[in-house]
Formats: sequence, C-alpha cells, structure tokens
Amino acid sequence: QKEVEQDPGPLSVPEGAIVSLNCTYSNSAFQYFMWYRQYSRKGPELLMYTYSSGNKEDGRFTAQVDKSSKYISLFIRDSQPSDSATYLCAMSAASGTYKYIFGTGTRLKVLA
Amino acid sequence: EAGVAQSPRYKIIEKRQSVAFWCNPISGHATLYWYQQILGQGPKLLIQFQNNGVVDDSQLPKDRFSAERLKGVDSTLKIQPAKLEDSAVYLCASSLVEGNEQYFGPGTRLTVT
Repeated sequence: QKEVEQDPGPLSVPEGAIVSLNCTYSNSAFQYFMWYRQYSRKGPELLMYTYSSGNKEDGRFTAQVDKSSKYISLFIRDSQPSDSATYLCAMSAASGTYKYIFGTGTRLKVLA
Repeated sequence: EAGVAQSPRYKIIEKRQSVAFWCNPISGHATLYWYQQILGQGPKLLIQFQNNGVVDDSQLPKDRFSAERLKGVDSTLKIQPAKLEDSAVYLCASSLVEGNEQYFGPGTRLTVT
C-alpha cells in the first residue's frame, strides 16, 4: 500500500462547477498537508499549506483535513478553464527531516 | 522576490553519458531539495540539504547520482553514467528552514536515449 493515494483522473468539469480533489494516507505521523498545482511542463506551485486538522480557505480554494479518517480534500469554487492542471497533494511528519511524500496527482480539465 | 532558478530547462543525452543540473534557491532559504518526477507520478525526494550539509539522501542512487551544495547556496546534481530509466523531470525546491513551505523551480526535463 502506498503511503499517499490519489486518483489520477482525468477529471472533467464544466466551467463554474465546484471541484473536489482528494487524497488518502496511511501514516498517522503526517501533520503537514499541502496542495500544489502543476501546469504542463512547469514546476509545482504551492496552493495551500495546512497543519493538523480543520479547514483553510484562500480565495476560491478550501483545504480540508480529516485526520481521524486520514483523508484530505481540496475544493475549488467557480472553477475556470485556467484551473486546468494537475493537482498534487503532499504530506509530511512534524519531526525528523519533514520529508514531503507526494500523491501521483489528479489531472483536472475545466471545460469552457 | 525571485523564485527558484534551474538550468538547463531541457537536456537530451545518450545512455552512459553524464549530465549535470544546476539550482539556485530563493535568497535566504537554508533548505534545498532535489526531486525526481517521472511522467504520471508525483515528485520523489532524492536529496535534502540544510545549508551545505546533507539531511536525507536515502533515496539517491549513489552509484550514479551525486549532489553538492558547497557554499550553502546553489547546488548541482550530477548523473554519471545515465540510464534510460533516468528520463524524468528533475525539480529543485527550497524552504526557509526545514518544515516550512517548499517552493519549486521550473525543473529540468531529461531525456536519455
């Protein structure tokens, strides 16, 4: 079993839809949870950085962490064609080397 | 604030040749990371530096890969000799200190033929 599981998609939605992207994990030591957006042939861009459980909102993006279920989500409201990209979740423990473990990424396509 | 710089952006070599990648992190960032991203997968950490010391190189194939960060600022990653399976994007990232947010550069796309 992989430490971090993420559905690779692709996920196609119409413009304006609410998008839900998810990751599950198995390591209960993970305390930091990140979401990155990666456009084709570009480096990953940090969208959200959260610690422990709860919600965090930034503009059209909301990150949710449920540590009891080992499940994290990223919601995108009013999705735009410019949101079409691969979304990567990443996690790390709160001690040691703080090594990031990434999911495989979910490819999202927002149709105009 | 300038981001993480990497060069070259693209490189094509034949197997058994050597190649080197360069990374300049965000100014003031003490921690520097090299990742390998194979097509369709998430980035995998190869090596992590804190200033000029190695923190984690457990997933670096040391028989062919080497990395250095001599003055605690920029870094080079070398592959010698390259294999076909080394074809990937090599990403450099930096963070202010360990445990903080990591910011990535644009990557170097390596093709080994």
